[in-house]
Amino acid sequence: EPEVTQTPSHQVTQMGQEVILRCVPISNHLYFYWYRQILGQKVEFLVSFYNNEISEKSEIFDDQFSVERPDGSNFTLKIRSTKLEDSAMYFCASSAGVNEKLFFGSGTQLSVL
Amino acid sequence: AQRVTQPEKLLSVFKGAPVELKCNYSYSGSPELFWYVQYSRQRLQLLLRHISRESIKGFTADLNKGETSFHLKKPFAQEEDSAMYYCALKENSGYSTLTFGKGTMLLVSP
Repeated sequence: EPEVTQTPSHQVTQMGQEVILRCVPISNHLYFYWYRQILGQKVEFLVSFYNNEISEKSEIFDDQFSVERPDGSNFTLKIRSTKLEDSAMYFCASSAGVNEKLFFGSGTQLSVL
Repeated sequence: AQRVTQPEKLLSVFKGAPVELKCNYSYSGSPELFWYVQYSRQRLQLLLRHISRESIKGFTADLNKGETSFHLKKPFAQEEDSAMYYCALKENSGYSTLTFGKGTMLLVSP
């Protein structure tokens, strides 16, 4: 079965630094998502992306965050000026359609020191 | 705003025992409900969705709109069922954003 791949699996950064989390969605999928899970808490929606633009975003997704599809395969989440509370597991997901099953990546564990 | 509640952080049962993982939701419209599972060191994956009305790996879940519940059940638990289970809700609004519960860890002992 095709998979969503995420790199790196772990990322450690200093507070105030910028990080870019990378995702390669399943090739024929059109909808892309980022979710995050702070340790011990629920998986939270950050943003959805379709047709090269953000289709929906949560309150968490403020100006510190941005997403981009720089080429035909990658989907990135950029966090500017990271804060301690950004430490979390970040999951990328993709789907073929708005009512289709979501496929999740294995996640990137971000640790902000 | 929609909310999904999974009251149990941990459910521990013996192999062969029945399992019920509870999920309650609050949403003013007509939602779509899902169960996702995450086995150890694996990715989050869809287990089942209420509109499919299917049984996957022996698990079933019935949407009870009166009680706003979507409990996950299996009559005879297996050790390989040990995993983290997340209940999730999607609005019927054209967006596919999921709202997750906090998850329940199911441990099945031999």
